[in-house]
Amino acid sequence: DAGVTQSPTHLIKTRGQQVTLRCSPKSGHDTVSWYQQALGQGPQFIFQYYEEEERQRGNFPDRFSGHQFPNYSSELNVNALLLGDSALYLCASSVFTGTGSYNEQFFGPGTRLTVL
Amino acid sequence: AQSVTQLGSHVSVSEGALVLLRCNYSSSVPPYLFWYVQYPNQGLQLLLKYTSAATLVKGINGFEAEFKKSETSFHLTKPSAHMSDAAEYFCAVSENNNDMRFGAGTRLTVKP
Repeated sequence: DAGVTQSPTHLIKTRGQQVTLRCSPKSGHDTVSWYQQALGQGPQFIFQYYEEEERQRGNFPDRFSGHQFPNYSSELNVNALLLGDSALYLCASSVFTGTGSYNEQFFGPGTRLTVL
Repeated sequence: AQSVTQLGSHVSVSEGALVLLRCNYSSSVPPYLFWYVQYPNQGLQLLLKYTSAATLVKGINGFEAEFKKSETSFHLTKPSAHMSDAAEYFCAVSENNNDMRFGAGTRLTVKP
């Protein structure tokens, strides 16, 4: 059973460019969350997708957008890249069972984005 | 708003010594609490979780944590450190399970 997979592993972009990161959830999972982990810091929640809709969003600008496909995989898009966007981007998947219940999130290995 | 504070960005112990990593949380509702471990250039691995069942939670690799509501704490312990425990450890809190708020992390060094 494959776990959460992310591509690419590493990416180098220049300021002002746009980037797309991809995530395939663990088999049987229908919910995908994205996190940004800057160097030396803990992960910060970007947003969560369920049923192809953004369900909740953290404190990130509109330059960060996402998409979820019918097969539950997801993309994270970042426009107009800034130097401060350099980070490890983590994807986590889970099974939605309704609010108020616990659903464990399983993390992928991440995509390391470097903005020059 | 939910948040966690990890006391000590670096902790160093000798092999075989007690490991204690501190985490205090803030939450307006009964929270879910987690400890994750991250090895270099890898993602996050769940060590253990508190989901309102037993207050003493046992996890993988001999780690455990105790939920203390009166102290708003969820400290991580291991009786005897192993060299392979050297890693970054993150405490996290979630109120609605849609998003998790992570602490800044504690880097554990184990000396031979």
